[in-house]
Amino acid sequence: KAGVTQTPRYLIKTRGQQVTLSCSPISGHRSVSWYQQTPGQGLQFLFEYFSETQRNKGNFPGRFSGRQFSNSRSEMNVSTLELGDSALYLCASSLMNGDSPLHFGNGTRLTVT
Amino acid sequence: DQQVKQNSPSLSVQEGRISILNCDYTNSMFDYFLWYKKYPAEGPTFLISISSIKDKNEDGRFTVFLNKSAKHLSLHIVPSQPGDSAVYFCAATPNSGNTPLVFGKGTRLSVIA
Repeated sequence: KAGVTQTPRYLIKTRGQQVTLSCSPISGHRSVSWYQQTPGQGLQFLFEYFSETQRNKGNFPGRFSGRQFSNSRSEMNVSTLELGDSALYLCASSLMNGDSPLHFGNGTRLTVT
Repeated sequence: DQQVKQNSPSLSVQEGRISILNCDYTNSMFDYFLWYKKYPAEGPTFLISISSIKDKNEDGRFTVFLNKSAKHLSLHIVPSQPGDSAVYFCAATPNSGNTPLVFGKGTRLSVIA
């Protein structure tokens, strides 16, 4: 079974631009979550989608948004990029049945210059 | 307000010895705890979890201990192997895993041959 796939692996953008990241969950997983990892900050929750609906949202500004499609694939978008948005963005999927753990992709490394 | 704390940023252990990684939490609503391992340029990989109804869970060389009264959990790796060298993240969630995970900032384990 294929794992969580994130594209692209690396991105370089300049301040003020916008970016879209893509995530394909494990087949059969209907929940997709996004996390941001920055040096020294661990993983911080961005948002979670289940059946195309946002179930939870973390404490990030409105420049960060996401969506989920009917095939469970998800995208996240960051508009008006800032230098501080440089991070590893991780997508994770799960079965959403109690104690099923999150399965993470390898992430998209975003660098904002 | 950091709800999950891993107070040791790094740990070095000799091959064959025991590695003990610690994690403290402040939110008494957390009832499900997980450990993830992360290699560079890869996403976190689920290792082991424990529900608050238990105080110990084992899986091969990995054992997680939970002390609810102290709001403390630990991951024991016995025996430690060079391939265990990675960053380990502790995570917690209320509602038996059906809500976003809250991660610690990670502990970098180095197993020295």
